Amino acid sequence: GAVVSQHPSWVICKSGTSVKIECRSLDFQATTMFWYRQFPKQSLMLMATSNEGSKATYEQGVEKDKFLINHASLTLSTLTVTSAHPEDSSFYICSAETGTVGPYEQYFGPGTRLTVT
Amino acid sequence: GQQLNQSPQSMFIQEGEDVSMNCTSSSIFNTWLWYKQDPGEGPVLLIALYKAGELTSNGRLTAQFGITRKDSFLNISASIPSDVGIYFCAGHSPGTASKLTFGTGTRLQVTL
Repeated sequence: GAVVSQHPSWVICKSGTSVKIECRSLDFQATTMFWYRQFPKQSLMLMATSNEGSKATYEQGVEKDKFLINHASLTLSTLTVTSAHPEDSSFYICSAETGTVGPYEQYFGPGTRLTVT
Repeated sequence: GQQLNQSPQSMFIQEGEDVSMNCTSSSIFNTWLWYKQDPGEGPVLLIALYKAGELTSNGRLTAQFGITRKDSFLNISASIPSDVGIYFCAGHSPGTASKLTFGTGTRLQVTL
């Protein structure tokens, strides 16, 4: 139980284009999903928290107009990187929280490697 | 922002040895979680701790929630090659809802 998937697992895009990453909870309903970014050999950095049906809450320093988050259902959240630039290249990981499997336990997706050329 | 410091930063051990790593904070946490991350993958939850003093095991792994609520440790007994990876502690601090703060990570390498 508590499986989270991400799609795509990797993507290469040209500078100036937009990329959408999907995060799905496969066997549970996630009222809250989180998006993280991880640079090589560093820890995970929280970008935003999204609750189903409401606007995402972004961490300080994260541009909400650049990283668009939509949490349209209890099993799907999407992150769209708009007008991507090479400095946006990173490993993007989502997580989902469920109060049924274990309170306050976040389960992570396998990550999406974004490379902007 | 708040930061969790993990030590050691990295370690090389021989197969069969026991491993110990810890995580400390300057402020209290309500929960402590330990994750393992393999290269190119997302973190996988190993153990979750909810009460000060709690000691929990998961197979060869044992973790404890420090009495002061400012630290936690993870022990791995009889290490095997597949234990290689990066171990992260993470916690929820009071008043931050569901937001997790992650530690700096401990990179574990196991030699035969």
